[in-house]
Amino acid sequence: EIVMTQSPATLSVSPGERATLSCRASQSISRNLAWYQQKPGQAPRLLIYGASTRATGIPARFSGSGSGTDFTLTISSLQSDDFAVYYCQQHNDWPPWTFGQGTKVDLK
Amino acid sequence: QVQLHQWGAGLLKPSETLSLTCGVFGGPFTDYNWNWIRQPPGKGLEWIGEIMHSGSTNYNPSLKSRVTVSIDTSQNQFSLKLTSVTAADTAMYFCARGPPIAAAGRFNWFDPWGQGTPVTVSS
Repeated sequence: EIVMTQSPATLSVSPGERATLSCRASQSISRNLAWYQQKPGQAPRLLIYGASTRATGIPARFSGSGSGTDFTLTISSLQSDDFAVYYCQQHNDWPPWTFGQGTKVDLK
Repeated sequence: QVQLHQWGAGLLKPSETLSLTCGVFGGPFTDYNWNWIRQPPGKGLEWIGEIMHSGSTNYNPSLKSRVTVSIDTSQNQFSLKLTSVTAADTAMYFCARGPPIAAAGRFNWFDPWGQGTPVTVSS
């Protein structure tokens, strides 16, 4: 099983600032990584797949990068709507498909 | 725009069987795989299993002995059964669609998701 590790656990950011979230895989997953945003009481929403391809309707301020074992989600200028928990998920090898434990982005 | 709507019993006793169904509305049912994912209270996400339109399934090895995912193509629905539940199975359960199989092959990410069904296991 591929273990996904996210850091930091919590990221405190002011509106308008850049947020950088990290995700590391326990073995190489090429570029087969997805990112999700989850707000309290809601289902997760797909942001990015294939490490850097934005899902339909996702604003350009969200960008993904990385390959192999190290990946980054960047929110270029944080909006108030972006405070949430973010999860990464490897879509390279299964079973099982696995998620990171999440990074909470909160207000600084 | 495709929407997933899920339903099923939310309160179970230990040793009972969890049973949930997810309906797919407003979009194609073929050419995708369909998934179940759960989230214990205050914790992260755990993939449970997937089913193809053909009926072929894959399960999380940690749950494989207790899980069955089935599909009803005539109703555009798929279902989850989890037997012998315990308190550790208490979670929000989500259904979700995978990407188009023709484009993504065996790779799987999840979009969109159902609204979630809270399941509590308690005596």
